[in-house]
Amino acid sequence: SQQGEEDPQALSIQEGENATMNCSYKTSINNLQWYRQNSGRGLVHLILIRSNEREKHSGRLRVTLDTSKKSSSLLITASRAADTASYFCATPWAGNNDMRFGAGTRLTVKP
Amino acid sequence: DSGVTQTPKHLITATGQRVTLRCSPRSGDLSVYWYQQSLDQGLQFLIQYYNGEERAKGNILERFSAQQFPDLHSELNLSSLELGDSALYFCASSGANYGYTFGSGTRLTVV
Repeated sequence: SQQGEEDPQALSIQEGENATMNCSYKTSINNLQWYRQNSGRGLVHLILIRSNEREKHSGRLRVTLDTSKKSSSLLITASRAADTASYFCATPWAGNNDMRFGAGTRLTVKP
Repeated sequence: DSGVTQTPKHLITATGQRVTLRCSPRSGDLSVYWYQQSLDQGLQFLIQYYNGEERAKGNILERFSAQQFPDLHSELNLSSLELGDSALYFCASSGANYGYTFGSGTRLTVV
């Protein structure tokens, strides 16, 4: 079963613009994670935000978490062509630490 | 190199056959997770092992099985293969801290 859902499914922007992706989930969580996947490659862990955190930064990435709305957003600032990838949110399932992934947002950054 | 090794990278086999996918986790990680990624199903959690024992089960078919060995490497066995089993199969590992490290995947094509 999937836990998170990303929105939009696809996003196309110009280099230098900001990209915002959203994730909604269903159950209470203790953390939420974002991953990037380049086409046909393995997923790469980007950032983890805990349930008691509201915002977290890592380089050009900013993640927010609103546990009351069961939603998170990933902002990539000053995007680059190399940011072109699919982005997934993941949350723990049923009290375990096995993570369930959404269907992802496919981001295309045009040079 | 993420530290998680999956072999083989590509596999082409016929319907009805059986294959074994192998995963070596990152050094020190006790947990291994298997995921299936197909175009129409997204990233589906199959099964988790922790230090040799099954910890959590997802949408894993009865035709599929897995195990984790004393040296912590894991194998995913897929039998009576069907065309619909064609997908990317990922292994991920994690340690005490949250955040998965994914392998580069095995692309299985059933013909």
